[in-house]
Amino acid sequence: DQQVKQNSPSLSVQEGRISILNCDYTNSMFDYFLWYKKYPAEGPTFLISISSIKDKNEDGRFTVFLNKSAKHLSLHIVPSQPGDSAVYFCAASPFFTSGSARQLTFGSGTQLTVLP
Amino acid sequence: DTAVSQTPKYLVTQMGNDKSIKCEQNLGHDTMYWYKQDSKKFLKIMFSYNNKELIINETVPNRFSPKSPDKAHLNLHINSLELGDSAVYFCASSRTGEAFFGQGTRLTVV
Repeated sequence: DQQVKQNSPSLSVQEGRISILNCDYTNSMFDYFLWYKKYPAEGPTFLISISSIKDKNEDGRFTVFLNKSAKHLSLHIVPSQPGDSAVYFCAASPFFTSGSARQLTFGSGTQLTVLP
Repeated sequence: DTAVSQTPKYLVTQMGNDKSIKCEQNLGHDTMYWYKQDSKKFLKIMFSYNNKELIINETVPNRFSPKSPDKAHLNLHINSLELGDSAVYFCASSRTGEAFFGQGTRLTVV
């Protein structure tokens, strides 16, 4: 039962254009969402997050949008650069009480290739 | 100056053996985790450990046991290794928000 879904295993875009990566979730208890980037033979690296009280969060070239009613989030990368080529994972976490750990549920990832 | 480090990076071992993977974080985080990335590339949580509270994913076989000698370390011990245990194992730590991951340990059971 996949609670976090990334339906596109791969995406190719031209350098300088916009990359849009999508993610859907099913668990209504999720209230915190994250995007990670992963290069081969390395661990996932945190990119950007968004709380459920917001619908947009921006950090440089990266913007995450959250549509709670549709249970959908997306990551926009503008402009895309060849160094952005990596696997991007969407992750989600439910509300937690103080002292407890946030356990992330990950999607299956999308391989982004930015073509020069 | 690695924030989350795990050793070894690669581990090849025979079925039935017992092995450990070590993890250390120097971020001062209170919570540490073990994740498993399977052949389908899903990252699934195995354990989280916070202030001596251990939360176990119930799908994890009891051959897997986390051991935390102190807040900066969370080691993963695996008994009686099976072929299906072959995967990449990631250690991570967090305070309240995003988790920081180690570089992973690729375990191959032959």
